[in-house]
Amino acid sequence: DTVLTQSPALAVSPGERVTISCRASESVSTLMHWYQQKPGQQPTLLIYLASNLESGVPARFSGSGSGTDFTLTIDPVEADDTATYYCQQSWNDPLTFGSGTKLEIK
Amino acid sequence: EVQLVESGEGLVQPGSSMKLSCVASGFTFSNYGMNWIRQAPKKGLEWIALIYYDSSSKYYADSVKGRFTISRDNSKNTLYLEMNSLRSEDTAMYYCAKRGDYGSYDYWGQGVMVTVSS
Repeated sequence: DTVLTQSPALAVSPGERVTISCRASESVSTLMHWYQQKPGQQPTLLIYLASNLESGVPARFSGSGSGTDFTLTIDPVEADDTATYYCQQSWNDPLTFGSGTKLEIK
Repeated sequence: EVQLVESGEGLVQPGSSMKLSCVASGFTFSNYGMNWIRQAPKKGLEWIALIYYDSSSKYYADSVKGRFTISRDNSKNTLYLEMNSLRSEDTAMYYCAKRGDYGSYDYWGQGVMVTVSS
């Protein structure tokens, strides 16, 4: 299975820029997607195909990368962005998720 | 507005069975693949099953293969997950999720909690 590695946690202040990384154990081309899961809620899709913003998602969110290294950027961060962020690949079966990065807003 | 509403939440003993349902609205259900994804308490997300739009193909994670069965009734806009031989490690929030573009999951239900404990 393709393993996706994410840093466990980050803490930033409102107004700052934050980058959340996801590294795949093998190439996934650009078939990488990002989700936000706020406490007590279901995940929601933020970015698909590495860099495409899902409809309705604020332009503060952006994604980049290809192959094995991917980044989700939030700029500027707002208090409401407190959540866990997951990457997910769909290049190799089974489709797999990263372990999530918990973002704390100071 | 797309809505996915799961039901069937509960507490069951190890070795028993349970069936979850997910009613879809706001899109043409019969045109899309559907998935079940679970999340153990304080853990990450795990895809467990996919069914094609016409039920022609079904796929399972190794962790549930042979014990869980995904199905759908397009006339009722409903997705199902039949779970047999449940184990404590199956304890999780279970989400149904619509398959989106390029293998993403573009809509998720609110989830139902399944607890397997004696």
